[in-house]
Formats: sequence, C-alpha cells, structure tokens
Amino acid sequence: DADVTQTPRNRITKTGKRIMLECSQTKGHDRMYWYRQDPGLGLRLIYYSFDVKDINKGEISDGYSVSRQAQAKFSLSLESAIPNQTALYFCATSVGFQETQYFGPGTRLLVL
Amino acid sequence: SQQGEEDPQALSIQEGENATMNCSYKTSINNLQWYRQNSGRGLVHLILIRSNEREKHSGRLRVTLDTSKKSSSLLITASRAADTASYFCATDGGGGGFKTIFGAGTRLFVKA
Repeated sequence: DADVTQTPRNRITKTGKRIMLECSQTKGHDRMYWYRQDPGLGLRLIYYSFDVKDINKGEISDGYSVSRQAQAKFSLSLESAIPNQTALYFCATSVGFQETQYFGPGTRLLVL
Repeated sequence: SQQGEEDPQALSIQEGENATMNCSYKTSINNLQWYRQNSGRGLVHLILIRSNEREKHSGRLRVTLDTSKKSSSLLITASRAADTASYFCATDGGGGGFKTIFGAGTRLFVKA
C-alpha cells in the first residue's frame, strides 16, 4: 500500500464550487505539505504543517485553505474554485526540517 | 525566475549513454535535493546533498555541488529507457525559515 495517498485522483468542478482534496499518510511523519504543479513549471508550495497545531502559508496560499485533522491527515480546500486553479496538486510528507519529502500520486484538478 | 533552474529543459539520448543535468540557484542553501517525476505522477526523491558536501553517489547517479558557483549537476550513467522522466532540483533557500524551491525540471527521454 502507498505511504502517501491522495483523494480524489481526478476531479472536474465548476467555477465557484468548493472543493476539498485529501491527503493521508502512514509514514508517521509530523510534517506535511501541499504543492501545485502547472505545466512547464516546478512545484510551488501552497501550505505546510509541521505538526497538528502548526499551519503555515507557502508561496501561493491565496484562494486556498488547509486543515490538519490529525498527524496523518492534511486536507486542502478551494473555497471558491476558479479556472486558474486548474493544476496537478501534490501532498508530501517529511520526517525532518528541510529533509527528504515523500510525495503522493497527485490529484489532477480541472476547474471549468 | 525560480531559485532552482535546470538546464537543459529537455534532453534526448540513446540507451547506454550518460545523461547530465544541471541546476543553478540564487541564494545560499543548506541542502539541495534531486527528484524524479514520471509523467503525471508523484515525485520520487533521488539524492540529498548538503552544502558542506561536494559529491554524492547512489547507484548509477552522481550528484555534485559547487556552492561557489551556486550550481549542482546530476549525472545518470548507462541510461535506460526506464530513466525517461522529468528531473527536478529543489533547494531550501538557506536561512532559518522553511522553504522548498523547485526548478522547472529537465525532461529526459532515453531511446531504446
């Protein structure tokens, strides 16, 4: 079984809809991250969490919110989706500060 | 432009040849990492090299780091068709705060 899972894997939604992407991990890591990837670009950090009570904004947090429900779960929400949020979204975990990150398989989101 | 910039953007080689990819960055770093991404899938960590290291090996992978030139290279020896993927460098941006800054990646195509 995969250590970092994301649901859904693919999602099509309409402008203005609220959508939640979920991430679960069985690695026992405290640190979790949400990234988006656009074609031809590297990953950009949206939010990160170093433990259940710690949530931090990343490079591109506007239009997104997160919830760390437990050590193993970190959800990303788009409160009112817009077309330029169409992207590939990745969740990742790590055991330490600035250490190796382990990525989920990604969620492909299309906002019409 | 992004902290990590890979060069070349795309590389096509024959199976058995070596592949070299370069990464340049702008600010001081604590470490630099290389990741591989197969088409549309999650990133897989390859190597982490710290700022006080100059070279690291892992199987057919060799990574060098030149902090004076703010650059790193990834060498894949005896390439295989299965090495076809995008390769990203990621830096921590230096300093005390958390950052992970990915470049746009090098797309490697290994022809059988």
